[in-house]
Amino acid sequence: KQEVTQIPAALSVPEGENLVLNCSFTDSAIYNLQWFRQDPGKGLTSLLLIQSSQREQTSGRLNASLDKSSGRSTLYIAASQPGDSATYLCALISNFGNEKLTFGTGTRLTIIP
Amino acid sequence: KAGVTQTPRYLIKTRGQQVTLSCSPISGHRSVSWYQQTPGQGLQFLFEYFSETQRNKGNFPGRFSGRQFSNSRSEMNVSTLELGDSALYLCASSFQGRGTDTQYFGPGTRLTVL
Repeated sequence: KQEVTQIPAALSVPEGENLVLNCSFTDSAIYNLQWFRQDPGKGLTSLLLIQSSQREQTSGRLNASLDKSSGRSTLYIAASQPGDSATYLCALISNFGNEKLTFGTGTRLTIIP
Repeated sequence: KAGVTQTPRYLIKTRGQQVTLSCSPISGHRSVSWYQQTPGQGLQFLFEYFSETQRNKGNFPGRFSGRQFSNSRSEMNVSTLELGDSALYLCASSFQGRGTDTQYFGPGTRLTVL
């Protein structure tokens, strides 16, 4: 059974700093891995999608990497801003079973002005 | 393109009642998935519909059911509500629901069961 872990559960950093969020998974047989952000009480906003054949994706100040062999993905946020404060979730679709997203537990990020 | 829409946004029900939630996918998307989000269990997959057929199902009791219409809009029904059904219910749409597709989420329906 695929398990997805995000550590730490919460992170606070001063505005302007670069930061890395981590996502670990137990089974490397995946279709893709997607990073989302969720603002309190709201739905999920897709940030980046990395296909299993790719190593990284970039969008603006965000860069996501994928290392299937080690079962890890990271989301790098450059020059953090208060508006980046949210919960960040990674989710993946495995090659086997249902083609559903299996979510991590999320990292709650707070950017301190 | 308009995003995924969900109605209603908030619902308050009492135990034993039943509820129907609605999801309209992005135009052109044929796959709709439903997820339940609770503080204790996180995000859990309920089911996925594609071309009016339930294609995948998660580990939820039969009280949770759904359907999809010919225009790809989907409804989810929960019968005999329990306190533990209080959650944020999210739907997601994608082009075909393949593993290579990006999934786009709606704002969710917040269900409170009293």
